[in-house]
Amino acid sequence: VLTQSPATLSLSPGERATLSCRASQSVGGYLAWYQQKPGQAPRLLIFDASHRASGVPARFSGSGSATDFTLTISSLEPEDFVVYFCQQRSSWPPTFGGGTKVDI
Amino acid sequence: QVQLVESGGGVVQPGRSLRLSCEASGFTFSIFGIHWVRQAPGKGLEWVAFIPYDGSSNSYADSVQGRFTISRDTSKNMVYLQLNSLTTEDTAVYYCAKELQSYQRLFYFDHWGQGTLVTVS
Repeated sequence: VLTQSPATLSLSPGERATLSCRASQSVGGYLAWYQQKPGQAPRLLIFDASHRASGVPARFSGSGSATDFTLTISSLEPEDFVVYFCQQRSSWPPTFGGGTKVDI
Repeated sequence: QVQLVESGGGVVQPGRSLRLSCEASGFTFSIFGIHWVRQAPGKGLEWVAFIPYDGSSNSYADSVQGRFTISRDTSKNMVYLQLNSLTTEDTAVYYCAKELQSYQRLFYFDHWGQGTLVTVS
């Protein structure tokens, strides 16, 4: 089970966002982060805990291992105020966290 | 550019069937696995099924095992998801998603379609 916190994060443009994903058992480094805008499909941001996917801006970074992971957005842009999901592929079946909404 | 376009969703009665399609373009379809992931209205994401690049050893979530079947037609760059014995719990937007790495089953999803809504009612 992946537990994301907080459920909602209220920040202002330009601020730093720190999103947490905690696993109920170790997933090693096999964790990804996705961004989902309203009415759109998710977009892969980070895989294997810290590797940015192709085309993802450098302000997005991932860290962590085992059970505790963090997605950091160094300086929030207006388009970043959306929902973020974590996902693990270490244990079967692959599962997603419940999401964190970043709002203004 | 990579594109995945789902179709086939709609309103269906409990116990009935539906077939979803996913048309892929912009990449070498024959060397990538494809997943289906669903999202119930206002809810989180749930992985549903995976078909490897060669169509062998398909995988399913327990919640759909025995009811859903994933298949692919490489000649048409198409993936299908046959949904049988539908229940209200299957109501969701169904996305097809491309596996991140060719020939692999990493279960990371790097490109997604826009989704197709299945309503069981």
